[in-house]
Amino acid sequence: SAVISQKPSRDICQRGTSLTIQCQVDSQVTMMFWYRQQPGQSLTLIATANQGSEATYESGFVIDKFPISRPNLTFSTLTVSNMSPEDSSIYLCSVAGGGEQYFGPGTRLTVT
Amino acid sequence: SQKIEQNSEALNIQEGKTATLTCNYTNYSPAYLQWYRQDPGRGPVFLLLIRENEKEKRKERLKVTFDTTLKQSLFHITASQPADSATYLCALADSNYQLIWGAGTKLIIKP
Repeated sequence: SAVISQKPSRDICQRGTSLTIQCQVDSQVTMMFWYRQQPGQSLTLIATANQGSEATYESGFVIDKFPISRPNLTFSTLTVSNMSPEDSSIYLCSVAGGGEQYFGPGTRLTVT
Repeated sequence: SQKIEQNSEALNIQEGKTATLTCNYTNYSPAYLQWYRQDPGRGPVFLLLIRENEKEKRKERLKVTFDTTLKQSLFHITASQPADSATYLCALADSNYQLIWGAGTKLIIKP
């Protein structure tokens, strides 16, 4: 198993600003995943972050809007840039192991 | 593309009874299917994984079935308790072993 922490746990931001979310894992992992979960909806994968290479983004998500860093095997950041109210959501980071996924507690973002 | 359907309405069950949640998918049978529990303000927590060649999997009071003919998985909690109240998510692996998620069903166990 893996223990994942995220910072901040929640934030209220003004439109047009950016927020960087941090994700720390207690063990070294190759891939880290960033998800978005909007109220009442399913988890949507934003991107997969591999250490030492560019993140792979899913359809509908672009690097300019959601830049990701992966400086080492235990840490990643996701930035939500130029925010609008539509970006209000819960952002989750995750790692995989043995076919299952482990999630952080999430960052609840509200954009006003 | 693959779609997953879970009942969007909350399921209310009396304590002690068996709760049964449904996960339906539309296209190809996935290599495996997973169930997660999510509590408010927390990330999902893995519960069970069932592979396409398995019909049933059990873990304590939990049981998952996988019917590739019906394209359906059922998730059962026996002897349900108020502490089992949560949202339960179904996820299946696509051909690239990437997970596709259902929106979840909220389960409420009444004392």
